[in-house]
Amino acid sequence: NAGVTQTPKFQVLKTGQSMTLQCAQDMNHNSMYWYRQDPGMGLRLIYYSASEGTTDKGEVPNGYNVSRLNKREFSLRLESAAPSQTSVYFCASSTPRRGSNQPQHFGDGTRLSIL
Amino acid sequence: DQQVKQNSPSLSVQEGRISILNCDYTNSMFDYFLWYKKYPAEGPTFLISISSIKDKNEDGRFTVFLNKSAKHLSLHIVPSQPGDSAVYFCAASAEGTYKYIFGTGTRLKVLA
Repeated sequence: NAGVTQTPKFQVLKTGQSMTLQCAQDMNHNSMYWYRQDPGMGLRLIYYSASEGTTDKGEVPNGYNVSRLNKREFSLRLESAAPSQTSVYFCASSTPRRGSNQPQHFGDGTRLSIL
Repeated sequence: DQQVKQNSPSLSVQEGRISILNCDYTNSMFDYFLWYKKYPAEGPTFLISISSIKDKNEDGRFTVFLNKSAKHLSLHIVPSQPGDSAVYFCAASAEGTYKYIFGTGTRLKVLA
């Protein structure tokens, strides 16, 4: 059982380049999330998808777009990368139920450097 | 505005002793709280959670305490082991939302 799989694991980009980070989960979860982790900032939510066909902004959505391709896959796109987007990106999934939240399962991250 | 705060960036504890990690929150709508553990180069892994209808939840060596009036939760690890050395994040969410707000993390080092 792979859980949450992120690709690529590492990437170096030049300022202005575009890039799509891929995420897939095999746990039949409804909700998927993209976070970024920066030193001293914890995990900050970029975008999330509560269910297939819906996406919503999180705390730090500027400069990013997302696509919920199907129930399994949720991609994050940087249209024009900036050095401020250098970070570690984590994808997560969960199955929230009404009246009962559920913990998230995380992938191992994508380390992105923008020069 | 940081809705979930972990004011101690780091903590060192001797093996076998108790580790206490603290977390404060400001949003009174939060009703579900989680602790995650993160090793370097890996994603966070779920450790333990607590609903606001409880004030304590135990799972083996890990206990989470919730003080709703103080908007404070803590994670106790007893006894601490070197393998517990990691960064610990607390997170909170409100029922009916799909969002989890994370703290900035506390790096725990358990000394052998």
